[in-house]
Amino acid sequence: GAVVSQHPSRVICKSGTSVKIECRSLDFQATTMFWYRQFPKQSLMLMATSNEGSKATYEQGVEKDKFLINHASLTLSTLTVTSAHPEDSSFYICSQQGNNEQFFGPGTRLTVL
Amino acid sequence: DAKTTQPPSMDCAEGRAANLPCNHSTISGNEYVYWYRQIHSQGPQYIIHGLKNNETNEMASLIITEDRKSSTLILPHATLRDTAVYYCIGRRIQGAQKLVFGQGTRLTINP
Repeated sequence: GAVVSQHPSRVICKSGTSVKIECRSLDFQATTMFWYRQFPKQSLMLMATSNEGSKATYEQGVEKDKFLINHASLTLSTLTVTSAHPEDSSFYICSQQGNNEQFFGPGTRLTVL
Repeated sequence: DAKTTQPPSMDCAEGRAANLPCNHSTISGNEYVYWYRQIHSQGPQYIIHGLKNNETNEMASLIITEDRKSSTLILPHATLRDTAVYYCIGRRIQGAQKLVFGQGTRLTINP
């Protein structure tokens, strides 16, 4: 299957700062990427669908101005958590759409102090 | 997308077959049954998918009932590394379709 990488794997930041998470498709050109987050002991929740060269589509309840998504190329999508607060601490996971299935990155654990 | 129902947890002895059930009674004709698993603190891993025929790959087998209202994922010889949360998801295959994750089944393989 396709290989998806994320950087950084974990990040700790102070409240009020912004954090950028990169999601790279290493061996596949992904027109569509997805961003999920997962709180402890909960399932994955889709945040947004990212389409190369166009605006992302956000799920209900997800603030587009707080979670900025950029998908400027077929191999890179970025999620920026702006003015992060402790409640944004979570496990953020990206995935790319393959031919018939999605391939997921290893995740980024964000801790906001 | 079809709502799926899975038992919250299961245990299985190492070396035995692990059979994970999933109910998807509202699945529509163009929805496939997908299985993913998530090992602790990792991204989900694709396992297998099927429409109505049974499927087998190097990881698992998928048995779908004739009425397509339920399915069973079979790990033929479970190992400790198969301990994970297993998700059964109904999804259309055309285009880029988002995955809606339920709570899944937490499978624990015991030595």
